Amino acid sequence: GENVEQHPSTLSVQEGDSAVIKCTYSDSASNYFPWYKQELGKRPQLIIDIRSNVGEKKDQRIAVTLNKTAKHFSLHITETQPEDSAVYFCAATPTDKLIFGTGTRLQVFP
Amino acid sequence: ETGVTQTPRHLVMGMTNKKSLKCEQHLGHNAMYWYKQSAKKPLELMFVYNFKEQTENNSVPSRFSPECPNSSHLFLHLHTLQPEDSALYLCASSQVGSTPTQYFGPGTRLLVL
Repeated sequence: GENVEQHPSTLSVQEGDSAVIKCTYSDSASNYFPWYKQELGKRPQLIIDIRSNVGEKKDQRIAVTLNKTAKHFSLHITETQPEDSAVYFCAATPTDKLIFGTGTRLQVFP
Repeated sequence: ETGVTQTPRHLVMGMTNKKSLKCEQHLGHNAMYWYKQSAKKPLELMFVYNFKEQTENNSVPSRFSPECPNSSHLFLHLHTLQPEDSALYLCASSQVGSTPTQYFGPGTRLLVL
């Protein structure tokens, strides 16, 4: 079955800097890769997703890149702000069952 | 924020109690999921229901018993739980056959004493 690894587990950046979170997956049949943000005490919420027929997708300060050959995908946050502080989860799936990474705790210091 | 709701939001129970968690989705989806979230395993899939039929039981102990009476409602019945079952229990829903994006409820914070 699918296995998703996520790094780093914690990430601290200065406000205005960029943050990058990386995930690798094992099942080459996976074709959908969402990213969720979970603020303290709140539910995970989808922030961006990408399908396997696309190499990159952007939404304002957030971008996701996908390398199908290497089986890895990354989340890029530019011009980070304190409100970006949260736990971020990547996921992958070849079917309807999402396999989640272990999460990255991002702290943005003012 | 109101697409997937869960009740109760907080629950404290003893190891001999029986309680139920409820999830309701208002998104017209046909699949629902239970996850356990703890410090050890951030998002651990427990059960999957597609079109009211259970399609996944991720080696969950029998003290957790799911029920899906229709595609909008999902329950998790709890009995004789252990302290290590204390966690945040999240419900999610998605539309099978379409984009497999899952939408989460706010979760039930469970404490087993």
